[in-house]
Amino acid sequence: SAVISQKPSRDICQRGTSLTIQCQVDSQVTMMFWYRQQPGQSLTLIATANQGSEATYESGFVIDKFPISRPNLTFSTLTVSNMSPEDSSIYLCSVAETEAFFGQGTRLTVV
Amino acid sequence: QQQVKQSPQSLIVQKGGISIINCAYENTAFDYFPWYQQFPGKGPALLIAIRPDVSEKKEGRFTISFNKSAKQFSLHIMDSQPGDSATYFCAATSGTYKYIFGTGTRLKVLA
Repeated sequence: SAVISQKPSRDICQRGTSLTIQCQVDSQVTMMFWYRQQPGQSLTLIATANQGSEATYESGFVIDKFPISRPNLTFSTLTVSNMSPEDSSIYLCSVAETEAFFGQGTRLTVV
Repeated sequence: QQQVKQSPQSLIVQKGGISIINCAYENTAFDYFPWYQQFPGKGPALLIAIRPDVSEKKEGRFTISFNKSAKQFSLHIMDSQPGDSATYFCAATSGTYKYIFGTGTRLKVLA
């Protein structure tokens, strides 16, 4: 299985600022995804990170709020822009080949 | 039609007992049904998965039962242990690895 490293593991940010979350995989993978998990809730897909092209966003998520980069087959970033307390969540990177695996997540608190 | 409904929301089981978590789906295009286990502060970890061409899959103490006609599947944890205390998510996908997750079940196994 792929080993996924996310940084930072947690952060406390001021409202109105932005945070970039990094996801590094130990092998080349085709499919990378970003999920959000609000406190005590299930996982919701934000977008598919496409290598070399713009990310594909799910309904309710927009590029201006959650810009994503995917410069190569082992790395992706998710930025949470102009944060508000409602953005306080766990953000998870996921990769999929024959199975889907998740990173440890980034616990974001916006104050 | 994209929802996966999961029940119960929480479950308390005595050590050695059987834990049963149920999920139901509507989209008949779903063809892969994994279960994930999540401990606090960790990302979801793949536990066991099934495809609709079989009615049951067993791995150690964990069994998935699948009823294609009823569009339901369930996770059975035999001989439940305190170390099994975690949140369990069912999920479904139609081959794109874009997973639709259930709402989660918090399992507590009493010693």
